[in-house]
Amino acid sequence: QSALTQPASVSGSPGQSITIPCTGTSRDVGGYNQVSWYQQHPGKAPKLIIYDVTKRPSGVSNRFSGSKSVNTASLTISGLQSEDEADYFCKSYTTNSTLYVFGTGTRVTVL
Amino acid sequence: QVQLVESGGGVVQPGRSLRLSCAASEFIFSNYALHWVRQAPGKGLEWVALISYDGKNNYYADSVKGRFTVSRDNSKNTLFLQMSSLRPEDTAVYYCAREMYGGLLRGYLDYWGQGTLVTVSS
Repeated sequence: QSALTQPASVSGSPGQSITIPCTGTSRDVGGYNQVSWYQQHPGKAPKLIIYDVTKRPSGVSNRFSGSKSVNTASLTISGLQSEDEADYFCKSYTTNSTLYVFGTGTRVTVL
Repeated sequence: QVQLVESGGGVVQPGRSLRLSCAASEFIFSNYALHWVRQAPGKGLEWVALISYDGKNNYYADSVKGRFTVSRDNSKNTLFLQMSSLRPEDTAVYYCAREMYGGLLRGYLDYWGQGTLVTVSS
């Protein structure tokens, strides 16, 4: 099972907005709304920041938002802050024999 | 506060076996499905396995199917991953994580352990 496709890196200045795409197929992202996003700081465990494509867990900043169009899910970070520097991974249910698949991951840099 | 603590990692030779444990606390363990996720050094996340809240249903990534077995002991609030026929490509930090919706399988992992490193090398 191939991983979902994400850009290796995205950067932005403080206060700007950035968007991270996560591209799959109709067998995963496009076919189901079971998409989630995780933030991972170096040396730390991942943290759930988006689930059900657009929902935020309690305590997650409303600067994080999710969306989906056809086979691509997206994570948008608004009002970029230095603490947003981290790796971000999308994840989706898949009808392939592997039940779930992660994205390749995106390193966000705040300039 | 929900806690998940992995243990059992270490250095193991190719072809050998290893069992990881994940001790849980501060939530009703038997109400929640649990996952294993791994991350090779400097690489991305890879979903490995899932066990239902009651242990009756298990699911595996193709890369570990037939070699890894996930199990749980609800009386001891502990999750296990038995890994056999280990390969160098199994080298990774292994995380246990809780399914956010409990018994409903959505793949949303709301709490994670700190991870345990498994190194497969001769």
